[in-house]
Amino acid sequence: DADVTQTPRNRITKTGKRIMLECSQTKGHDRMYWYRQDPGLGLRLIYYSFDVKDINKGEISDGYSVSRQAQAKFSLSLESAIPNQTALYFCATHPGTGGPGYGYTFGSGTRLTVV
Amino acid sequence: GQNIDQPTEMTATEGAIVQINCTYQTSGFNGLFWYQQHAGEAPTFLSYNVLDGLEEKGRFSSFLSRSKGYSYLLLKELQMKDSASYLCAVSRFSNDMRFGAGTRLTVKP
Repeated sequence: DADVTQTPRNRITKTGKRIMLECSQTKGHDRMYWYRQDPGLGLRLIYYSFDVKDINKGEISDGYSVSRQAQAKFSLSLESAIPNQTALYFCATHPGTGGPGYGYTFGSGTRLTVV
Repeated sequence: GQNIDQPTEMTATEGAIVQINCTYQTSGFNGLFWYQQHAGEAPTFLSYNVLDGLEEKGRFSSFLSRSKGYSYLLLKELQMKDSASYLCAVSRFSNDMRFGAGTRLTVKP
């Protein structure tokens, strides 16, 4: 099983719908992140969480919300989906300790299309 | 603000050496990372630099100059499987990582 699991892998939704993307991890990492990836723009940070009670906005949080239900689970919601939220979404984790050279572990991504 | 710049695309020949450059401007610096991402897949961690100089890891090496805001990833003995995007990323003090747009490398026979 993957260390960082994202569901669904692919989703097509209609404009105005609320949608939730889920991320769960078995690495025991405290820190979790949501990024979106668009061609030519790279990965952009949406939200991050350093523990269950800590939620922080990233570069592009407007139109998104998150919930850290447990150390292992971090969900991203689009309150009212719009077409320019069509993108590849990645969840990532980091232990917070283990030295600054420890890279992120990414999930396999969710490809979201808003029509 | 924060800018991370790297070339959009590069092409190289199997068996050759290629250098992918990255320049950055950032408030706060806790290290520079390189990730590899094959099409449609998740990025995977390649290397990390926090001090100036060269870090070597097999066929891959990464260099950092903090005073110049500059890094490069050097890939030797290129293989077809090295065709991928290479992402330069800067970690700030809070451990949130900001990424460049990526360099798509195509390795030709």
